[in-house]
Amino acid sequence: EAGVTQFPSHSVIEKGQTVTLRCDPISGHDNLYWYRRVMGKEIKFLLHFVKESKQDESGMPNNRFLAERTGGTYSTLKVQPAELEDSGVYFCASSQDTLAGVANTGELFFGEGSRLTVL
Amino acid sequence: QKEVEQNSGPLSVPEGAIASLNCTYSDRGSQSFFWYRQYSGKSPELIMFIYSNGDKEDGRFTAQLNKASQYVSLLIRDSQPSDSATYLCAVIYAGGTSYGKLTFGQGTILTVHP
Repeated sequence: EAGVTQFPSHSVIEKGQTVTLRCDPISGHDNLYWYRRVMGKEIKFLLHFVKESKQDESGMPNNRFLAERTGGTYSTLKVQPAELEDSGVYFCASSQDTLAGVANTGELFFGEGSRLTVL
Repeated sequence: QKEVEQNSGPLSVPEGAIASLNCTYSDRGSQSFFWYRQYSGKSPELIMFIYSNGDKEDGRFTAQLNKASQYVSLLIRDSQPSDSATYLCAVIYAGGTSYGKLTFGQGTILTVHP
């Protein structure tokens, strides 16, 4: 079974340009998450899709970031225009688990990340 | 103020020893706790989760949770060079709108030398 795949693995762009990152979750996983790790910092949550709907986008840094998941399959994360502080590794994760509460043991399956370098 | 703190290391242990990784969290509303392992350039992968006070064992791994002290740890027995990786502590807070919203620590780099 294929895991979570992300594309591109590495992107180098100049400040002000646009970049679109893509994530293909594990087939059948309704839940899709975007996380980001900037240099020297911890991995931070950006947003969560359930199918095509945004469940939680509280981690999105600003309106230069746009995430979509049309049709509830793959997702894209667009950064427009990119700034220097956007550099980092963007992780996508997916899961099947839909249970909330203390008994939540849902495992998130992460992709290898897309490294973004903004010059 | 960071919400999840880990000793950043690096932590170096000899092969066969016990590696002890520690994590503290600030929010008493935290409900589930996870340990992920990440090899360089690879995806984080879940190795343990725990949500009840006490110990949970899985093979060479033992997770320990103390909610009163807001502390969670991971012990790796009989450490192997293949255990060398970054270990990420993560928590889920109760009452959140997203059941997959993990809050991570910065990670502890573990090196097991032969």
